[in-house]
Amino acid sequence: QSALTQPASVSGSPGQSITISCTGTSSDVGGYNYVSWYQQHPGKAPKLMIYDVSNRPSGVSNRFSGSKSGNTASLTISGLQAEDEADYYCSSYTSSSTYVVFGGGTMLTVL
Amino acid sequence: QVQLVESGGGVVQPGGSLRLSCAASGFTFSSYGMHWVRQAPGKGLEWVAFIRYDGGNKYYADSVKGRFTISRDNSKNTLYLQMNSLRAEDTAVFYCAKSRGAECGSDSCKGGYFDYWGQGTLVTVSS
Repeated sequence: QSALTQPASVSGSPGQSITISCTGTSSDVGGYNYVSWYQQHPGKAPKLMIYDVSNRPSGVSNRFSGSKSGNTASLTISGLQAEDEADYYCSSYTSSSTYVVFGGGTMLTVL
Repeated sequence: QVQLVESGGGVVQPGGSLRLSCAASGFTFSSYGMHWVRQAPGKGLEWVAFIRYDGGNKYYADSVKGRFTISRDNSKNTLYLQMNSLRAEDTAVFYCAKSRGAECGSDSCKGGYFDYWGQGTLVTVSS
């Protein structure tokens, strides 16, 4: 069982918006602004999409945005495109005995 | 451009050992912390270990603590993961990832994210 909870799957039609949630605790998501999101296509390495809750790296489309409320972070993808179909993972720093925790991942299907 | 190239994966028997390497280029290796992250076949990402830019602090997932050791050689721009007492459940693709944004004080670090990833190396633990 992953430390952060994500929905197993979400779907949307091209042009629509979807939101993926990532729920943790006050020891990770809720306690720090160190939430990041990663996109992974099959057989490929993960790619950074959002860091520090809501910052977008250079080169990432502005259709991707992040936010946080309490112990839950969210990734929103607007104007869905076929190329967005992938697995998405959230991650957070944790003050527990480890250092980083991941969510279990969410499979995004573009209908 | 940043490049991370993992090597050292392969098939090993339960109880055996393996050392992974990650050759880094395109950035000042000695200025950044580094992580190992793994992904079992068909499963999600699992963080494994983190080492501070100077090797001064190391952190491990509970699942590998006492069995795996992360290290680095800044003169060779290379990150390592020594894996001992391997189990079937360690079977995974192992990625090295560059850390950015971590805040490190004199005796601890916190935060950061993975801004670049290697392509991974497959470790299979099987008899």
